[in-house]
Amino acid sequence: GQNIDQPTEMTATEGAIVQINCTYQTSGFNGLFWYQQHAGEAPTFLSYNVLDGLEEKGRFSSFLSRSKGYSYLLLKELQMKDSASYLCAVRRIKAAGNKLTFGGGTRVLVKP
Amino acid sequence: DVKVTQSSRYLVKRTGEKVFLECVQDMDHENMFWYRQDPGLGLRLIYFSYDVKMKEKGDIPEGYSVSREKKERFSLILESASTNQTSMYLCASSPGGVDKETQYFGPGTRLLVL
Repeated sequence: GQNIDQPTEMTATEGAIVQINCTYQTSGFNGLFWYQQHAGEAPTFLSYNVLDGLEEKGRFSSFLSRSKGYSYLLLKELQMKDSASYLCAVRRIKAAGNKLTFGGGTRVLVKP
Repeated sequence: DVKVTQSSRYLVKRTGEKVFLECVQDMDHENMFWYRQDPGLGLRLIYFSYDVKMKEKGDIPEGYSVSREKKERFSLILESASTNQTSMYLCASSPGGVDKETQYFGPGTRLLVL
């Protein structure tokens, strides 16, 4: 089976940095995705990591350590519009149909 | 731009009713998925399909069935709706192959079963 853990909620101030951690236990790991989901809307793709290291994309970066079963999503220069839930999802090798398993999501609240 | 549409944004049904949720994607994707999303539980996979007429159970298939007669359309069926099926239902699609192909989500259907 798989176990994916991330904090339920985080609060940060506009302009600050927030780091959302995701730990996972799975056999046959084959990639980790981060999605952003605003309230009442569909999740949208943010990042994908399959090798160890940091992937940077503008204000957002995602890090992966396969040996530790650990990833984080880093949001820099926070803006009010970044208030959303952030979902961590893991894919396994030979998962038919590109099947993902999701964590419970982390709700981030950005305050002025 | 990939577009995934769902037939309804909000739906209210009574216990015991048969419910159909429709999902259509316009990008010729092989894979399609149905999830439900509940507070504190995240997205849980109900069923998925990797080809026309092909389906596989996800993590919580009980009480649900699916149909994929055409590549672009994936239907979720609640044969006899129950109150514990009140939830947000999200459809997604993705291209075939592996690597970094992500899933694209529809806007969701919020179902209330009374």
